[in-house]
Amino acid sequence: GAGVSQSPRYKVAKRGQDVALRCDPISGHVSLFWYQQALGQGPEFLTYFQNEAQLDKSGLPSDRFFAERPEGSVSTLKIQRTQQEDSAVYLCASSPLGTSGTAYNEQFFGPGTRLTVL
Amino acid sequence: KQEVTQIPAALSVPEGENLVLNCSFTDSAIYNLQWFRQDPGKGLTSLLLIQSSQREQTSGRLNASLDKSSGRSTLYIAASQPGDSATYLCAPYNFNKFYFGSGTKLNVKP
Repeated sequence: GAGVSQSPRYKVAKRGQDVALRCDPISGHVSLFWYQQALGQGPEFLTYFQNEAQLDKSGLPSDRFFAERPEGSVSTLKIQRTQQEDSAVYLCASSPLGTSGTAYNEQFFGPGTRLTVL
Repeated sequence: KQEVTQIPAALSVPEGENLVLNCSFTDSAIYNLQWFRQDPGKGLTSLLLIQSSQREQTSGRLNASLDKSSGRSTLYIAASQPGDSATYLCAPYNFNKFYFGSGTKLNVKP
């Protein structure tokens, strides 16, 4: 079946522009995660959704970052007034279960969106 | 905050060797731990998931062990092949978050 998809795959933005990154999780998956991956580093947690509820946004680096999942499926990560330090790969992952099935929750990742801010 | 360390950071071996990749984490209150591989410019591919009640999981030439109390997991790769060349990441899961180390970059030479 279809995996997690993300669009666009590459985005170049001028400093100060707003960007929107899209994630289509695996159909029926309850949990959705966003991560930021800097070059040569492991992914860093940004935010977590269980269905449409954003249960954890502790990893969002500033109030310029905003994520939503209004219908509990597709999610959008928006970055306002982009800065050069926002340049990274943004990864989305989905899991079939919510917090009640934590021991069995396996993450499936999308290919990522590489954001470059000039 | 969970801290994850992976050793070695990089490894270059000839084809056919058996390998050991190490992962340590500071908070043992995890629900599970997942191992991933990441190819350059690509997303993460899940290799193995070990639940907190399990000691190990096997898939083909891969075997992962988990010692939750000591905060350690090990990934064994048997009879390595050039196609195994990638970055390997471990991710313990707790409090609705997966925490990642910086990975082990593996190069298997033909």
